[in-house]
Amino acid sequence: DAMVIQNPRYQVTQFGKPVTLSCSQTLNHNVMYWYQQKSSQAPKLLFHYYDKDFNNEADTPDNFQSRRPNTSFCFLDIRSPGLGDAAMYLCATSRDLRPGHEQYFGPGTRLTVT
Amino acid sequence: DQQVKQNSPSLSVQEGRISILNCDYTNSMFDYFLWYKKYPAEGPTFLISISSIKDKNEDGRFTVFLNKSAKHLSLHIVPSQPGDSAVYFCAASEENQKVTFGTGTKLQVIP
Repeated sequence: DAMVIQNPRYQVTQFGKPVTLSCSQTLNHNVMYWYQQKSSQAPKLLFHYYDKDFNNEADTPDNFQSRRPNTSFCFLDIRSPGLGDAAMYLCATSRDLRPGHEQYFGPGTRLTVT
Repeated sequence: DQQVKQNSPSLSVQEGRISILNCDYTNSMFDYFLWYKKYPAEGPTFLISISSIKDKNEDGRFTVFLNKSAKHLSLHIVPSQPGDSAVYFCAASEENQKVTFGTGTKLQVIP
């Protein structure tokens, strides 16, 4: 089945130790998104790629970076994780940016910072 | 500033009855609205959407109503089934802009 896959599902890292979360898709969608979701809060968009074009949200901290080496894969790098970065990180894809193209989400990676 | 608000964190409904999930928004530029459903340990999945040019969209047991003057939309599920128990997210977007999500409402359908 075509899908959005996130690895690992659970990630524990130490305060200040760089960590990378990965996402892959078999849908061949143009757009890939990274969201951060904290408990009882709405998913918050960090950035998205439209093909190779990177779009950063204005309030996304510089500590968060992303790479999209090809259509299928997208990575979220947290350079120096703080305790406040503990959250669920959701990857999503969509065929296009235009309204009407719903997003397909992966199961998420739950990040714990110790 | 939360532009999409779901003021009810949770809702319990008897099986077979109607579930009504509500969502309010503040940005009058939003022109497309979506509902996503999320089961535990899974990502959100798209459920139903509505364009701002419509006031109702129906898909089987699911109907979304949009009241633009009140900046309010609602999702009706009838009849409710135990498998509908999940967290429901309301979301909204402007043309070619990001999707803004609400905080979600946890629906429990009691058999």
